[in-house]
Amino acid sequence: EAGVTQSPTHLIKTRGQQATLRCSPISGHTSVYWYQQALGLGLQFLLWYDEGEERNRGNFPPRFSGRQFPNYSSELNVNALELEDSALYLCASSLEGQGRIQYFGAGTRLSVL
Amino acid sequence: AQSVTQLGSHVSVSEGALVLLRCNYSSSVPPYLFWYVQYPNQGLQLLLKYTSAATLVKGINGFEAEFKKSETSFHLTKPSAHMSDAAEYFCAVTLGFGNEKLTFGTGTRLTIIP
Repeated sequence: EAGVTQSPTHLIKTRGQQATLRCSPISGHTSVYWYQQALGLGLQFLLWYDEGEERNRGNFPPRFSGRQFPNYSSELNVNALELEDSALYLCASSLEGQGRIQYFGAGTRLSVL
Repeated sequence: AQSVTQLGSHVSVSEGALVLLRCNYSSSVPPYLFWYVQYPNQGLQLLLKYTSAATLVKGINGFEAEFKKSETSFHLTKPSAHMSDAAEYFCAVTLGFGNEKLTFGTGTRLTIIP
């Protein structure tokens, strides 16, 4: 069974551009989560989508946005890129339920020059 | 609100020695607790999960963790370290009840000395 897949693996952008990151969850999983792992800042929760709806949002500016498609895959969009957006962006998926296990993809490394 | 503190950003142990990675949590309700491992240039892999069914939780690769409510701790142990255990380890907490985001500790980098 395929795990969580993310694309692209690496993404290089310049300041002010937009970046789009993609995530395909494990088959049957309806929830998708996005986390940012920046150097020195650790793992920070970004967004949670479930059944196509945004359920929760971390403490990030509005230029971080996303969506979940009917097939439960998800996109994370980062507008007006800043140098400090350089990080590993991890996507996770889960089934429903309390204290659900989140399964992570390998991540997209975004470099903003 | 919830938070996690991992004591020791770097831990070194000799091959075959006991591994002990510390995690303390703060939660307003009984939490769900997790340990994840991250190998270089990879995502996070679940080691184990605490869900209140048992205080001692066994995970993959010989790891286990004990939930101690009185100490608000969830330390990770392995009796005998192997070279392949070298990685970064993250403790995480979630509250459930519709608040499913994971709050992570800052991580502990484990080095195994041959």
